[in-house]
Amino acid sequence: GENVEQHPSTLSVQEGDSAVIKCTYSDSASNYFPWYKQELGKGPQLIIDIRSNVGEKKDQRIAVTLNKTAKHFSLHITETQPEDSAVYFCAAIPTGTASKLTFGTGTRLQVTL
Amino acid sequence: DGGITQSPKYLFRKEGQNVTLSCEQNLNHDAMYWYRQDPGQGLRLIYYSQIVNDFQKGDIAEGYSVSREKKESFPLTVTSAQKNPTAFYLCASKGLLYGYTFGSGTRLTVV
Repeated sequence: GENVEQHPSTLSVQEGDSAVIKCTYSDSASNYFPWYKQELGKGPQLIIDIRSNVGEKKDQRIAVTLNKTAKHFSLHITETQPEDSAVYFCAAIPTGTASKLTFGTGTRLQVTL
Repeated sequence: DGGITQSPKYLFRKEGQNVTLSCEQNLNHDAMYWYRQDPGQGLRLIYYSQIVNDFQKGDIAEGYSVSREKKESFPLTVTSAQKNPTAFYLCASKGLLYGYTFGSGTRLTVV
């Protein structure tokens, strides 16, 4: 089955700096890669996603890049703000698995003042 | 507003007791999922259902049971066979598009 690895597990940046979280996946058939943000005590919220026919997608301060050849994708947050502090999860869906998402282990992002 | 509702937000279970966590969605989604999250950990799939009256085990189904009698509802029962049930439980649903919508979670504690 699919295996998603996520790095780093924790990340601390100063307000205004950029943050990058990286994920790799194992199943070359995966074709959808969402990113979720989870605040303390809440459910994960979808913040951005990318499909395998697209190399990069941007939404204001958030961008995701995908390298199908290397089987890795990354989340980029620019001009970080304290409210960006949360746990971020990457995920992948391989075809033929009844749309079950496989999640990475999460990255705890701390934006300091 | 369309969404997915989990209740209760907090739940306490005594040793040897079964408890049921509620998950309701009004998004008209066919697929629903239950995940378990332990402190500082990722999401582990317990059970999922793609259609009414059908469900499959996930990676950690032992000690749990589910039902899917209605499209809108996917309750999870944590049985006494689950020896370490203290965790944060998340329900999700998925429609025709790829994305999951998550509920706000239920925190279960054994007392």
